[in-house]
Amino acid sequence: ILNVEQSPQSLHVQEGDSTNFTCSFPSSNFYALHWYRWETAKSPEALFVMTLNGDEKKKGRISATLNTKEGYSYLYIKGSQPEDSATYLCAFWKSAGNMLTFGGGTRLMVKP
Amino acid sequence: GAGVSQSPSNKVTEKGKDVELRCDPISGHTALYWYRQRLGQGLEFLIYFQGNSAPDKSGLPSDRFSAERTGESVSTLTIQRTQQEDSAVYLCASSSTLAGVGELFFGEGSRLTVL
Repeated sequence: ILNVEQSPQSLHVQEGDSTNFTCSFPSSNFYALHWYRWETAKSPEALFVMTLNGDEKKKGRISATLNTKEGYSYLYIKGSQPEDSATYLCAFWKSAGNMLTFGGGTRLMVKP
Repeated sequence: GAGVSQSPSNKVTEKGKDVELRCDPISGHTALYWYRQRLGQGLEFLIYFQGNSAPDKSGLPSDRFSAERTGESVSTLTIQRTQQEDSAVYLCASSSTLAGVGELFFGEGSRLTVL
């Protein structure tokens, strides 16, 4: 059983605050780490797919880093907006694997 | 269509009835996945297809669950003799590659409620 853990489980921030979440995953047999955003009543949408240790990816105000040796990834949101309110999921793909194993998600609520 | 389509979007059924959930993946996507999310829990892997084959069925929670895919396109997840613990959102996703570097494209899910 692969353990993919996300923290915190939920987070309330004010509009304009910057925030970050953590995803921890097994450091052995690493192949890829995915981040998805899941808004209520919509489908999960990919943010980043990361494969290399030290990877940093950015999309607008959202960025992510990856440390495969210690088994963690951070997702950062700069200047949170109400439309950023969603559940953020990370998922781990192990080498020679055939599926993504998801963490429990971090639910972000941004108050105007 | 341009995205992954799932039907029905909502299904309420009585315990003991059979249900079928349908997924239309993005055209040309060879890999197709089924996940579910029960209330308060994370996404749980059920099964994946590479083309029309399902090499690993170990994620299916019981023998009441089955899935098939035809024409490297539409997939159907069937739950026989539904139980209340089957209540969940069932998500389908497709990918242009099987390997983990390809992002998954998800449908909006089928919400199943078993009374």
